[in-house]
Amino acid sequence: GQQLNQSPQSMFIQEGEDVSMNCTSSSIFNTWLWYKQEPGEGPVLLIALYKAGELTSNGRLTAQFGITRKDSFLNISASIPSDVGIYFCAGHQPTGANNLFFGTGTRLTVIP
Amino acid sequence: DSGVTQTPKHLITATGQRVTLRCSPRSGDLSVYWYQQSLDQGLQFLIQYYNGEERAKGNILERFSAQQFPDLHSELNLSSLELGDSALYFCASSVEGQGAVSTQYFGPGTRLLVL
Repeated sequence: GQQLNQSPQSMFIQEGEDVSMNCTSSSIFNTWLWYKQEPGEGPVLLIALYKAGELTSNGRLTAQFGITRKDSFLNISASIPSDVGIYFCAGHQPTGANNLFFGTGTRLTVIP
Repeated sequence: DSGVTQTPKHLITATGQRVTLRCSPRSGDLSVYWYQQSLDQGLQFLIQYYNGEERAKGNILERFSAQQFPDLHSELNLSSLELGDSALYFCASSVEGQGAVSTQYFGPGTRLLVL
């Protein structure tokens, strides 16, 4: 099935640094969602985007829905140790179905 | 806590066996989705139920089946298990089923190990 390409695959950063990751697709999406998954847990929704060009923030997190509807980015500012985890982008295609297609994930490690 | 519950948390079984995974959606959510997460395939959609009826099918094997009961809880049945079925199985729920996109909330998952 459709899979979204996420980059980078992994990141090692110092506490306090900003982080940027993105997600691209060959086809358009109606929504873009960003989830975080910690070991042994299910994905937790961070930000949901519903309109092309939309820029939304949730605390230190900011995400944008690309104008072409084929991409999205997530920024984390001033990273802290608890930001560690795997970040997934996900989206709904304009088919009427409500199932999500997921990105390949970005594994974030924050060094204190 | 997403409000979605899944049992069991861990399951170890042998090849050829059959298992049942259970999911209770968030209160008020009518849709339940099942996803499989494996190391080589990432998170893959399996199947969706809305208010007791199958709504969408993804990459679900014929050996797998699901159902949603009148109280809206759902079960995923995996039979004739193979080593490659070892994975994390997640359930998610949302208010809407189709036509109106709504946010999905994920449960903690069931980790299945087939030996």
